[in-house]
Amino acid sequence: GAVVSQHPSRVICKSGTSVKIECRSLDFQATTMFWYRQFPKKSLMLMATSNEGSKATYEQGVEKDKFLINHASLTLSTLTVTSAHPEDSSFYICSARDLQGVSNQPQHFGDGTRLSIL
Amino acid sequence: AQSVAQPEDQVNVAEGNPLTVKCTYSVSGNPYLFWYVQYPNRGLQFLLKYITGDNLVKGSYGFEAEFNKSQTSFHLKKPSALVSDSALYFCAVRDGKGAGTALIFGKGTTLSVSS
Repeated sequence: GAVVSQHPSRVICKSGTSVKIECRSLDFQATTMFWYRQFPKKSLMLMATSNEGSKATYEQGVEKDKFLINHASLTLSTLTVTSAHPEDSSFYICSARDLQGVSNQPQHFGDGTRLSIL
Repeated sequence: AQSVAQPEDQVNVAEGNPLTVKCTYSVSGNPYLFWYVQYPNRGLQFLLKYITGDNLVKGSYGFEAEFNKSQTSFHLKKPSALVSDSALYFCAVRDGKGAGTALIFGKGTTLSVSS
């Protein structure tokens, strides 16, 4: 089945550091990838929709200058948390849908990245 | 606007008993409905979906879900629960018209199966 690889799985860094998270679709092409943020014991909050070759679409309340998204190819999207602070600590999950599928295809999810800012 | 409600934060069931995890939805067009399961510190695994057709959908690991249009519900069920089913379950919806739109998730329900 479709596989989405997310890296790294865990990051611990100092406040003020920028952190890049990669999301790859391993066996399919994805024009659209999605970035979610999950707080402890909470649902997934959609942060942005990443479109290959164009600017990402951010949800209301998500700072686009804080969370930089790049979707340079059909198999890779990156999320960079710039100048991270402790309140950015969270579980970030990416998701992708097969290019060949129509909207009834499920989204496939990466295993998430646990970001801890000290 | 689309939304999903999972009214129960936690469902407790004994192993071998049937389980139900509830979900109701709101969407302007035809709903595409999904169930996912999440284990600790992991991403989401797809269980099943309803797009059209038979209201009873069968999915992975013996789970099934019933689409009820009049009640706008899509409850997840399993006839006989296993301890290994203990996890966090998410119901999600997408408007059928939006090919590029993301899934909107409910807040999740923790399922605890006791031996």
